Amino acid sequence: EPEVTQTPSHQVTQMGQEVILRCVPISNHLYFYWYRQILGQKVEFLVSFYNNEISEKSEIFDDQFSVERPDGSNFTLKIRSTKLEDSAMYFCASEASGGRTDTQYFGPGTRLTVL
Amino acid sequence: AQSVTQLGSHVSVSEGALVLLRCNYSSSVPPYLFWYVQYPNQGLQLLLKYTTGATLVKGINGFEAEFKKSETSFHLTKPSAHMSDAAEYFCAFRGGQGGKLIFGQGTELSVKP
Repeated sequence: EPEVTQTPSHQVTQMGQEVILRCVPISNHLYFYWYRQILGQKVEFLVSFYNNEISEKSEIFDDQFSVERPDGSNFTLKIRSTKLEDSAMYFCASEASGGRTDTQYFGPGTRLTVL
Repeated sequence: AQSVTQLGSHVSVSEGALVLLRCNYSSSVPPYLFWYVQYPNQGLQLLLKYTTGATLVKGINGFEAEFKKSETSFHLTKPSAHMSDAAEYFCAFRGGQGGKLIFGQGTELSVKP
């Protein structure tokens, strides 16, 4: 069964460093999302991406964040200068059509630890 | 504002007992509601979803949920818990605009032998 994959599973970085989190969505899906979950808190929406552009972003997704689909398969989240408060589990999700009844399929997550 | 509330961050049941995980939503538009499960070191997996039509929705692994508009609820149930049901469960809402999911806080289910 097709699945969303994410790499790395765990990333440790120093404050101020840039990190890139990678996701490979399900191959025929068109809509892509990033969410994050700070330990002990809710899963929060960061950004959605369709047709090579951001379709929606949350207040969390400031200028330090960017997303890209550099080729036909990968979907990346970049944090330019990490802060301690960026430590969280980051989930990628993909969806076939983006309709309200559609299902978002999630990857296993990348745990980001900022020291 | 649209929101989802899960009552109880941790629920513990005995094997074979009824599982009831509570979810309430707040929305000014017809909601589309989802339950996801997360097993340790895995991603979120869809259990079931309510879009339109029948208000009692059956999902995988014997779980079901009932959409009650009058109570703004979408509680998840399973008649008989199994040890393998131990996981974290998330209720999520999708509103009128955009594709994002709005999640509740999550409920960790423990199953005692």
